[in-house]
Amino acid sequence: EIVLTQSPGTLSLSPGERAILSCRASQSVSGSHLAWYQQKPGQAPRVLIYGASSRATGIPDRFSGSVSGTDFTLTISRLEPEDFAVYYCQQYGNSPLTFGGGTKVEI
Amino acid sequence: EVHLVESGGGLVQPGGSLRLSCAASGFPFSGYALTWVRQAPGKGLEWVSTISGTGESTYYADSVKGRFTISRDSSRSMVFLQMNSLGGEDTAVYYCAKCPTYRGSGSYYDYWGQGTLVTVSS
Repeated sequence: EIVLTQSPGTLSLSPGERAILSCRASQSVSGSHLAWYQQKPGQAPRVLIYGASSRATGIPDRFSGSVSGTDFTLTISRLEPEDFAVYYCQQYGNSPLTFGGGTKVEI
Repeated sequence: EVHLVESGGGLVQPGGSLRLSCAASGFPFSGYALTWVRQAPGKGLEWVSTISGTGESTYYADSVKGRFTISRDSSRSMVFLQMNSLGGEDTAVYYCAKCPTYRGSGSYYDYWGQGTLVTVSS
């Protein structure tokens, strides 16, 4: 099974700053099939990015995804107050599907 | 607009059974796979099971294989998760989520319900 390691565990930033979240896969993810989700307290996750770099419907362009080998990155260019949440990566290119442990972006 | 509404969670004793339901609307029900993902209290996300658009293919995480059964009823636009032999490790919020594909194996999830809490405790 592919293990996804997210770092840092917690990111402390201010509104307007850039956030860079990392997700490292233990082996190659087939087709770069990796998604990023945002989850706020008491809410369900929401997909932000799929296919490593494609924004989901309705997601602002301040969210972007990239990949280099087994290293995936989610960048939030300028943090808005509503962006403070927990972010998870998920690989769906290899069975079984796996999620990373999450990165909390806090003020 | 896509809506997924889970129900059926609650408190169950170790070794017991529970059946979760998810009512779907806002999309062609038989055209898309549906999945269950769970989240233990204060923990991350774990994929549980997926069923293809018309139910001919099902997939399970090793942690629930042989204990959980996923099914769907197209006449009611509902998906179910029958959970047997429950243990404390099954305590979690269970989310129903829609795949953007028919088959569902190897997919991300584009819509999620709000979840239903299952607590396994004596």
